[in-house]
Amino acid sequence: DAKTTQPTSMDCAEGRAANLPCNHSTISGNEYVYWYRQIHSQGPQYIIHGLKNNETNEMASLIITEDRKSSTLILPHATLRDTAVYYCIVNFGNEKLTFGTGTRLTIIP
Amino acid sequence: DVKVTQSSRYLVKRTGEKVFLECVQDMDHENMFWYRQDPGLGLRLIYFSYDVKMKEKGDIPEGYSVSREKKERFSLILESASTNQTSMYLCASSELPLAGGRSNEQFFGPGTRLTVL
Repeated sequence: DAKTTQPTSMDCAEGRAANLPCNHSTISGNEYVYWYRQIHSQGPQYIIHGLKNNETNEMASLIITEDRKSSTLILPHATLRDTAVYYCIVNFGNEKLTFGTGTRLTIIP
Repeated sequence: DVKVTQSSRYLVKRTGEKVFLECVQDMDHENMFWYRQDPGLGLRLIYFSYDVKMKEKGDIPEGYSVSREKKERFSLILESASTNQTSMYLCASSELPLAGGRSNEQFFGPGTRLTVL
C-alpha cells in the first residue's frame, strides 16, 4: 500500500470550510484514497473514499488531483463536533487498512 | 446500523495473566480485525480474519493470538500479558469487497483500554 503524508495538526474556525491535505505520491493506478476520522475516546469512523473522480457525500467532499498524487478532504461547514484526528489511507480496496498518525483537526469557536 | 461491540471499555490485568478481549458484530460481516492504538504510532493491525476459523497475521502479531469460532465473534488473546501490551485495543468489521473495488468500509467498536500492571 502507498504511503501517505499528512500535516500533524490544523485549526479551523467554526462555520468555515476545513481543508485537510494528503500527499500520496507513490499511489498506483488501482489504489483508492480513503478517509476516516477518530473523535476522542471513540473508534475510527469512515468518511469517504475515491479512486479518480471527486466524491461528495453527506459528511464531506474528496478532491483528488488529476495525477492522483495528492488529495484534499473538505468539511464544508465545520462544527465543534468535527474536532478529531483525520486519517488519509491509500489502499487497493482489499481488507487491510494501514492507519498512520493522521491530522489532528481542532475547530475553534 | 452496524454495531460492533467490545466486551469491556476498561480492563486492568497483572503481568503474566491470560487476557481475553471479545468483539461481536451484528451485520454478518465476513472480515474482522484487531488493532492496537498507541500515542504517536497510530493504529497498528494485530490480526484479521476473513472467515470463520481463518486468521491472518497483521503487522504486530507477536504476543497475541486470535479465535474466530463464529462469524459474529472475534476474540483477541494475550497468553501472558506484559506491561508493553498496555494499550487501546480496537476491533473492526467489514464486508468482503466486491469485484471492482467497492468500498471496504470498516466499522469500529468503541475500544478497550487495557492496562497491564
